[in-house]
Amino acid sequence: QKEVEQDPGPLSVPEGAIVSLNCTYSNSAFQYFMWYRQYSRKGPELLMYTYSSGNKEDGRFTAQVDKSSKYISLFIRDSQPSDSATYLCAMSSPPGSARQLTFGSGTQLTVLP
Amino acid sequence: DGGITQSPKYLFRKEGQNVTLSCEQNLNHDAMYWYRQDPGQGLRLIYYSQIVNDFQKGDIAEGYSVSREKKESFPLTVTSAQKNPTAFYLCASRYATGGNQPQHFGDGTRLSIL
Repeated sequence: QKEVEQDPGPLSVPEGAIVSLNCTYSNSAFQYFMWYRQYSRKGPELLMYTYSSGNKEDGRFTAQVDKSSKYISLFIRDSQPSDSATYLCAMSSPPGSARQLTFGSGTQLTVLP
Repeated sequence: DGGITQSPKYLFRKEGQNVTLSCEQNLNHDAMYWYRQDPGQGLRLIYYSQIVNDFQKGDIAEGYSVSREKKESFPLTVTSAQKNPTAFYLCASRYATGGNQPQHFGDGTRLSIL
């Protein structure tokens, strides 16, 4: 079993829809949680970074963490065609670990105009 | 502009040939990382370095080598021992002090076999 599970999709939604992207994890030592957005043939770009259970909002994006259920989500409101990309969740190893990140396999999202 | 520069963008390797991928950052980051990305498999860690002249193997280090002679540079060599090198290679860096700082990525090098 992988430490981080992420539904690969592909996920296709109409413009303006609310998108929900999810990851589950098995290692209760993970402390910090990130969402990266990756456009085709580009490197991942950090979208959201959080370390506590609950919600963190940034514009149209909301990151949700539930440590008791080992479940994180990214919500995109009023989705736009420019949001079409692969979304990667990432989690950090225990504090002090140099390796730092374990990634999900990514969810491919297409927002149709 | 501060950032992470990977070059070349595309690279082709012949059988039995070693090739080197460049990664340079001007963010004054301490730690640097190399990942390999294959379709449907996410990012897998090849090597990482916390400080100059020191580096550690990641999960898939076999067939790869690195050096860290300068803080801003972390080149990756894909050797002929790597039998399946076709992939998208990503370099990342971050501050290693001041808490659990996130990693930032370059735009990758796509390596293919001729």
